[in-house]
Amino acid sequence: GEDVEQSLFLSVREGDSSVINCTYTDSSSTYLYWYKQEPGAGLQLLTYIFSNMDMKQDQRLTVLLNKKDKHLSLRIADTQTGDSAIYFCAISKGGGADGLTFGKGTHLIIQP
Amino acid sequence: DAGVIQSPRHEVTEMGQEVTLRCKPISGHDYLFWYRQTMMRGLELLIYFNNNVPIDDSGMPEDRFSAKMPNASFSTLKIQPSEPRDSAVYFCASSWTGGNTIYFGEGSWLTVV
Repeated sequence: GEDVEQSLFLSVREGDSSVINCTYTDSSSTYLYWYKQEPGAGLQLLTYIFSNMDMKQDQRLTVLLNKKDKHLSLRIADTQTGDSAIYFCAISKGGGADGLTFGKGTHLIIQP
Repeated sequence: DAGVIQSPRHEVTEMGQEVTLRCKPISGHDYLFWYRQTMMRGLELLIYFNNNVPIDDSGMPEDRFSAKMPNASFSTLKIQPSEPRDSAVYFCASSWTGGNTIYFGEGSWLTVV
């Protein structure tokens, strides 16, 4: 299987919470990231978590890490139309000194 | 901070032509990465540099691709000759030793016809 796997699409209603999931294979990954890509734009770093953490919260974003199951999730509270984008999960062993391995991305679709 | 700057943003070229993509990393960053994004393969790491020296080029698809970093503030990715299957978005990114994150440019959108 792929090193990092994500579902391709997620559809949610405006105002609801979105939960984007990611699984990975390399248990030695020490940094785990979420990037956002809007149409025609580059990759914007949303947040990241160290492997020794279980949870990180940043305003509307909550990242949960289950190391045992090698599962990472991103929850977006009160989803807005501006959240419509592709969300990429990425892993790294060395943080800024190592290349990232990306999932294929999850297209978040917001229904009015 | 201006962020990672890439040029050109968009390029359309004919098969067989040489393509040169350019990147200026964030000032002070000592790592530079080149990624390629396609629908089929997603985001792939092509090559990365540390202190202007290529560290890992195992992701470079073939000899038609080459990358250089003549100084700390400039890098190029060259494709010669270009082929239609090279059509993709090419991202440059940079980071620094001791940092935890990698910052991406806006990408160069290449179409080879």
